[in-house]
Amino acid sequence: NAGVTQTPKFQVLKTGQSMTLQCAQDMNHEYMSWYRQDPGMGLRLIHYSVGAGITDQGEVPNGYNVSRSTTEDFPLRLLSAAPSQTSVYFCASSSARGRRNSPLHFGNGTRLTVT
Amino acid sequence: ELKVEQNPLFLSMQEGKNYTIYCNYSTTSDRLYWYRQDPGKSLESLFVLLSNGAVKQEGRLMASLDTKARLSTLHITAAVHDLSATYFCAVDTAGGAQKLVFGQGTRLTINP
Repeated sequence: NAGVTQTPKFQVLKTGQSMTLQCAQDMNHEYMSWYRQDPGMGLRLIHYSVGAGITDQGEVPNGYNVSRSTTEDFPLRLLSAAPSQTSVYFCASSSARGRRNSPLHFGNGTRLTVT
Repeated sequence: ELKVEQNPLFLSMQEGKNYTIYCNYSTTSDRLYWYRQDPGKSLESLFVLLSNGAVKQEGRLMASLDTKARLSTLHITAAVHDLSATYFCAVDTAGGAQKLVFGQGTRLTINP
């Protein structure tokens, strides 16, 4: 059981480039989300989804797009990378069925550097 | 806007000692999570606290939740080096949609 899989693990972009961070889960979880982690600031929610076809913005959505065409996948797109987007990105999923007891399951993260 | 504050942010302690990490949050929520993160790694779920007065224990770690005071604590008993990590609390803002607001994290270093 792979859990939550993120690719790539590392990425370096130049300012203005675009890219997609991939996230897939094999636990049939309804909820998926993207967080970014910056030093001294904990994790901040970028976008989240409660099911296929449904997405919504989190605390820091600007500069990022998401879509959820399947239950398994929740890619995060950087439209035009900026140095302020240098961060570690975590994808997470959780079950709606046992939602009161279900923690978030995190992927291993993508370390992104924008130069 | 929900704010979650942890203290201390940095904690260095000796093996065998006890200590407590505090997590305060600013608006009503009845669901709070504790996570552990090792350097360069992902986050690992430790506890899910669902109601006022909830207490959970796993090994040398014990977490509690006081929803009236908007306070959760993570107590470490007789610390060992393997517990060195960063600990995060997170509060659920959406009643099950898992929109979590995280604290800044407490970096815990346990010295022999």
